[in-house]
Amino acid sequence: SAVISQKPSRDICQRGTSLTIQCQVDSQVTMMFWYRQQPGQSLTLIATANQGSEATYESGFVIDKFPISRPNLTFSTLTVSNMSPEDSSIYLCSAMDGPAFFGQGTRLTVV
Amino acid sequence: QKEVEQDPGPLSVPEGAIVSLNCTYSNSAFQYFMWYRQYSRKGPELLMYTYSSGNKEDGRFTAQVDKSSKYISLFIRDSQPSDSATYLCAMDGGSQGNLIFGKGTKLSVKP
Repeated sequence: SAVISQKPSRDICQRGTSLTIQCQVDSQVTMMFWYRQQPGQSLTLIATANQGSEATYESGFVIDKFPISRPNLTFSTLTVSNMSPEDSSIYLCSAMDGPAFFGQGTRLTVV
Repeated sequence: QKEVEQDPGPLSVPEGAIVSLNCTYSNSAFQYFMWYRQYSRKGPELLMYTYSSGNKEDGRFTAQVDKSSKYISLFIRDSQPSDSATYLCAMDGGSQGNLIFGKGTKLSVKP
């Protein structure tokens, strides 16, 4: 099974700023995903991070707000841009290696 | 109707009890079914991964899939306080790889 390292594990940010979250997988994987988990809620897919092409965003999520990079088969970043308190959430990186495996998440608080 | 329905609980049981967790779904295209365990402030951890209808057992855990009824279950035998967590069901509808999650059931096992 894939081991996923995600950082930072948590951060407190000022509104209007941006935060980049990094996700490193210990093996090459074709598919990587970014999810959001709001307090008391389940996971919602933000986008699929495609290696060598633009990410595919789900309804309600846009590239300007959540730019994603996928420079190779083991690494991806998610940036949360121009943050507001409504962006306070847990952001999770996932990789498909058979089933999907998850990182430990980034707990973001925007003040 | 939501694609995946899961009773959020909370569910409280005494140590040693058999726990039954359930999800129903509406989309017959779902082919893969997963159960994740999520401890507080941690990422989801894969517990069970099944494809076909029937039962799959792994230690104290049994996953059951009934595609005709669009119903999946996770049974935990001899439950332990360390099983206290939120359990999320998830389904993968196809080649896109993204998962549809239930809301999660919060389980508490009392010593």
